[in-house]
Amino acid sequence: AQTVTQSQPEMSVQEAETVTLSCTYDTSESDYYLFWYKQPPSRQMILVIRQEAYKQQNATENRFSVNFQKAAKSFSLKISDSQLGDAAMYFCARNQAGTALIFGKGTTLSVSS
Amino acid sequence: GAVVSQHPSWVICKSGTSVKIECRSLDFQATTMFWYRQFPKQSLMLMATSNEGSKATYEQGVEKDKFLINHASLTLSTLTVTSAHPEDSSFYICSASNVGLSSPLHFGNGTRLTVT
Repeated sequence: AQTVTQSQPEMSVQEAETVTLSCTYDTSESDYYLFWYKQPPSRQMILVIRQEAYKQQNATENRFSVNFQKAAKSFSLKISDSQLGDAAMYFCARNQAGTALIFGKGTTLSVSS
Repeated sequence: GAVVSQHPSWVICKSGTSVKIECRSLDFQATTMFWYRQFPKQSLMLMATSNEGSKATYEQGVEKDKFLINHASLTLSTLTVTSAHPEDSSFYICSASNVGLSSPLHFGNGTRLTVT
């Protein structure tokens, strides 16, 4: 089965600190997309960052960046200068063009002041 | 940006009744929409893939006769939970992709279904 694994059910970080959420995946395809989604208590799915597998450069979006290691099939999310509003459940996901997202089990991130 | 509207946001129904959930792409054409189910503090599980003008493709273990999906236009897909039971209570969320294959998926805000 082509899966997405998030090995950290829960993580915590203090405000202004940096935290890294890990994600590994399994695929036999060479061309695919990787995503990190944030789901706050409202349960709205918010796209945090997206990476195209054929691009070697790691994607960044303001305080959010990824460490994409294609050979190792690893796609971790780094949140810098953490804010209280970053507290949420974070899902790593993978798909190929036009297909459904396959999600990991999620990591609940808590941020303390 | 692209918006997906899902309605209703929450619904309570009695056992044995049917509930219809709508998913609309407001400013783009979505040839494919996806329906997910999420239990509290768990991940999103793909239920089915809805293709405009054709039958939906259901994931293994999802009862197609219980979860009826219709994708009659490029902007609307519906999920009908038929003869609902308390175990169908869950959070249902749809997503849609622009016609351009490399574009990201956009999510509706979800529907919280409670069956009493």
